[in-house]
Amino acid sequence: GNSVTQMEGPVTLSEEAFLTINCTYTATGYPSLFWYVQYPGEGLQLLLKATKADDKGSNKGFEATYRKETTSFHLEKGSVQVSDSAVYFCALSDQRTGRRALTFGSGTRLQVQP
Amino acid sequence: SQTIHQWPATLVQPVGSPLSLECTVEGTSNPNLYWYRQAAGRGLQLLFYSVGIGQISSEVPQNLSASRPQDRQFILSSKKLLLSDSGFYLCAWSLTERSYNSPLHFGNGTRLTVT
Repeated sequence: GNSVTQMEGPVTLSEEAFLTINCTYTATGYPSLFWYVQYPGEGLQLLLKATKADDKGSNKGFEATYRKETTSFHLEKGSVQVSDSAVYFCALSDQRTGRRALTFGSGTRLQVQP
Repeated sequence: SQTIHQWPATLVQPVGSPLSLECTVEGTSNPNLYWYRQAAGRGLQLLFYSVGIGQISSEVPQNLSASRPQDRQFILSSKKLLLSDSGFYLCAWSLTERSYNSPLHFGNGTRLTVT
């Protein structure tokens, strides 16, 4: 079945540091890939997405590139801020399974210190 | 614009009591609807999803059930809560068209503590 693997957290960085959160996936076909962010006590918000190989999703300074050859969708940001502290989830949707729901990774907590 | 409402925000219930969590969506028709659970320090587990009124798909056998009595209303229920039902419950919706590429839009969640 489909699965998503994320690096374990917490990831602790100083403000303005470079961020990478790794995400790899296993899927039966050619999934769409998503990154979501969850701030404390809130639901999840869509951060960015990519629907086919080599697509790059970007939003709010975050980027992720759909790499079919390495089955990866790593999240990056060049300079993090304290306000980026949150839990980040990688997710996929695979049409071939016929399952109209996203499969999520376990989440990676990011802590940015001033 | 579309909005999703989920209530209550927090709930403390004793073991063996019933549960009813409600979720409504406004500003769209015939959405796909979802219930996820997030256990403490863990990822999201899909519990139920629905592609139409009265159509419920259950992902895992459990102590919970879901119903969709109206197009934009999704209810999560239990007749008798267990301690293991504690967690953060999230309702979400997505567009029916191109649903495999459509993102999910989440409510703010309900934090359930079973004591």
